[in-house]
Amino acid sequence: QKEVEQNSGPLSVPEGAIASLNCTYSDRVSQSFFWYRQYSGKSPELIMSIYSNGDKEDGRFTAQLNKASQYVSLLIRDSQPSDSATYLCAVNRRAAGNKLTFGGGTRVLVKP
Amino acid sequence: NAGVTQTPKFRILKIGQSMTLQCTQDMNHNYMYWYRQDPGMGLKLIYYSVGAGITDKGEVPNGYNVSRSTTEDFPLRLELAAPSQTSVYFCASSYGGGGEQFFGPGTRLTVL
Repeated sequence: QKEVEQNSGPLSVPEGAIASLNCTYSDRVSQSFFWYRQYSGKSPELIMSIYSNGDKEDGRFTAQLNKASQYVSLLIRDSQPSDSATYLCAVNRRAAGNKLTFGGGTRVLVKP
Repeated sequence: NAGVTQTPKFRILKIGQSMTLQCTQDMNHNYMYWYRQDPGMGLKLIYYSVGAGITDKGEVPNGYNVSRSTTEDFPLRLELAAPSQTSVYFCASSYGGGGEQFFGPGTRLTVL
């Protein structure tokens, strides 16, 4: 089992719909969780961080964390073509010396 | 405030050549990281540093070396370049370990 796992996609979403991205992790004592957006040919850009169970909303983005089930998700509401990118999940793994471990990313395509 | 800067943006090396990728941050972050990202893949940690004079290996350190003489700079040295080192290299920094990381624009390296 990979330490941080994401469906590679592509996740195809009509414009205006909700995109739902999932990420599972193996290290039960992980404390910090991050979502990065990466446009093709660009560097990762932090869009959300979440540290406790539940939902965290920021604009059209909502991060959801369930530590008991070891998953973190990202919802993108009212998806826009500009949301087309690869979304990387990153987990602070104590077993990795308190460094971030990144998933392989989910590619999202928003179709007008 | 430039954030994290990297030079060069692109480079082509011949097998066996050496080069140094430069990384500078102006956020006074203690932690700095070097990642490589192969096409369609996630980020793999090469080396990291928790402060000036302190460096440690990441997941894929073979063929690379680093130094950290100042808080701002964290150069990555490639000795005896090999085609397997063809990748995009990202430098990142964070205030603390396991916290939000901020990425530079990347260096696209091709070894022929």
